[in-house]
Parts: sequence; C-alpha cells; structure tokens
Amino acid sequence: GENVEQHPSTLSVQEGDSAVIKCTYSDSASNYFPWYKQELGKRPQLIIDIRSNVGEKKDQRIAVTLNKTAKHFSLHITETQPEDSAVYFCAASKGGTYKYIFGTGTRLKVLA
Amino acid sequence: NAGVTQTPKFQVLKTGQSMTLQCAQDMNHNSMYWYRQDPGMGLRLIYYSASEGTTDKGEVPNGYNVSRLNKREFSLRLESAAPSQTSVYFCASILGQATNNEQFFGPGTRLTVL
Repeated sequence: GENVEQHPSTLSVQEGDSAVIKCTYSDSASNYFPWYKQELGKRPQLIIDIRSNVGEKKDQRIAVTLNKTAKHFSLHITETQPEDSAVYFCAASKGGTYKYIFGTGTRLKVLA
Repeated sequence: NAGVTQTPKFQVLKTGQSMTLQCAQDMNHNSMYWYRQDPGMGLRLIYYSASEGTTDKGEVPNGYNVSRLNKREFSLRLESAAPSQTSVYFCASILGQATNNEQFFGPGTRLTVL
C-alpha cells in the first residue's frame, strides 16, 4: 500500500546550523508534498509545500527539494533558531483522491 | 472565521462505551479528514470525505464510523471504545480544488479509554 518513510526520527542541531529531514514515498502517482510543523500541544500547521512539476521551492529560511525519479523529498532549514524546535511531518498525496499519507515525524531540537 | 473546530477537547471513556467526536469548518471546504496521532506513529488517516455525501476508509478505519452530516460537519463515532483507541484525534479540511491543497487542522481531541 501507500507509504511515506521519514528520517531521522530525532535531530539535534546547534543554533545557527542547518537541519535536513528526508522523506521517501512509495506511490509514484503522488503529486503534492506538504510539510507540517507541530509545536508541543498544538495542531500541525503547513510551513511549505511542493508539487510534482517543481524541483525546489524556497521560503526564507526553509526550502524543499523533490526528486521524482528517486521518489524522495527533503526539508532544509537554514540558520536554525530555538523557535524552530518542534515536530515536523512530511506527507504525500495523489491528485483527485485528496488522500494524504503522513510520515512518522521528526523531532527537531535547536540547542542555544 | 473560526477555521476548524472540534469538540470535546478532552474525553475519558471506559472500555465498551461509545462516543462521537464532532468537527466543523466554516471555510466552505469540500474535503474533510479524521486522523489519530500516537507517539512515534505520526498522523494516521482514519476516514476522509472528499466531498459532501462521500466517505472513504483511510489507513486505520477499524473500530470507527463517520458521518458527513453536511458540507460543514464531519463526525467520528466510536461504537465500543477500546484502550487501543487512546489517542489524540485531529480533524482537518481542505478546499479541495486542484490549486489549493493546504490542510487546515482542528485543535485536537485527547481521548483516553480505560
């Protein structure tokens, strides 16, 4: 069945360093890949997304890259700050079904 | 706009009891979703409704039923609660059009089954 694998499960970085989280999806028909940030006790919120017709997208300190051939996509956060500490989820969906499959999450800790 | 709202925020049930989790959105979204979130398991899709009048199973539908009452409301029912259903439940919605797929989540319901 459809599956999204996410690595690593935990990641600690020093403030100011970069963080990279990777996801691999199984359904080659997936065409939309969002990333969500979830702070402790809060709801997940969209931080960036990418569609299958684009290889890279940037928004200030965050960027997402997509490799359709390898079926993987990555979240890059540069110049990390303590407020970036949270759990990050990737997801994949296939147009027409609007069904989303989420990765298992990465707990990012930014150490001051 | 309230966005996506869920009731209740917290609930404790005994094994075998039933309850319904309520979700409503005021964004005129077409598609609605129910997820459960367990530690280390991410968000797992229980059921979804691509449009009013339709519902489909997700990854973990067993033990749950849903009703898309109207365009605004999507409820999740546990007929006979089990300890394995202890979790945080999130409702979500999307506009459903091809160019806008952002999911908006509700605040969650923390359910404990004893």
